[in-house]
Amino acid sequence: EVQLVESGGGLVQPGGSLRLSCVASGFTFSSYWMSWVRQAPGKGLEWVANIKRDGSEKYYEDSVKGRFTISRDNAKDSLFLQMNSLRVEDTAVYYCARDYFADYWGQGVLVTVSS
Amino acid sequence: SYELTQPPSVSVSPGQTAGITCSGDALPKKYAYWYRQKSGQAPELVIYEDTRRPSEIPERFSGSSSGTMATLTINGAQVEDEADYYCFSADSSGDHRWVFGGGTKLAVL
Repeated sequence: EVQLVESGGGLVQPGGSLRLSCVASGFTFSSYWMSWVRQAPGKGLEWVANIKRDGSEKYYEDSVKGRFTISRDNAKDSLFLQMNSLRVEDTAVYYCARDYFADYWGQGVLVTVSS
Repeated sequence: SYELTQPPSVSVSPGQTAGITCSGDALPKKYAYWYRQKSGQAPELVIYEDTRRPSEIPERFSGSSSGTMATLTINGAQVEDEADYYCFSADSSGDHRWVFGGGTKLAVL
């Protein structure tokens, strides 16, 4: 059974940093692209970033480019999202998802950016 | 920036056919993917590569694509199909960026 479990969310002040983690199980992690998707409270889904199987290619949504960094550790079946210079508008539930088209999703982790 | 356009809401009676559209300029070249999100839950993939259905998704869900429009069809919609539905696709600029449609709230009542 494919499982994705996110952690690392919480409350942070504007301008602060947070690092999200996602631990995968039930599939060969290193064989898949991985993605982060977010959803602001009461809003729709927004693609954030994705990363190639070996980490050699990374792509970002324009509003997070230069502030967020996606990475992975295939030895630990883990995906990460380093979020710097956080803004109020980054407040959302962040989902980890398998593959570039998100065939499986975690339950999400809430990030709140507020003073 | 690239956009996918969906109707905000669709309403059908139980047993009727529901159709949710998604329009985007790159859809003739890029696959569409569809997700269902029930209240308080994580999204779930229901259609991939325009027409393919994951094995765990009921056969009443189908997808099609023609020109700049992709369509999710639910034949014989049931009350439990009430959810928000999102399309998802890539732009064709070569920048490897992906985008979701704004979402469609399906009411079955």
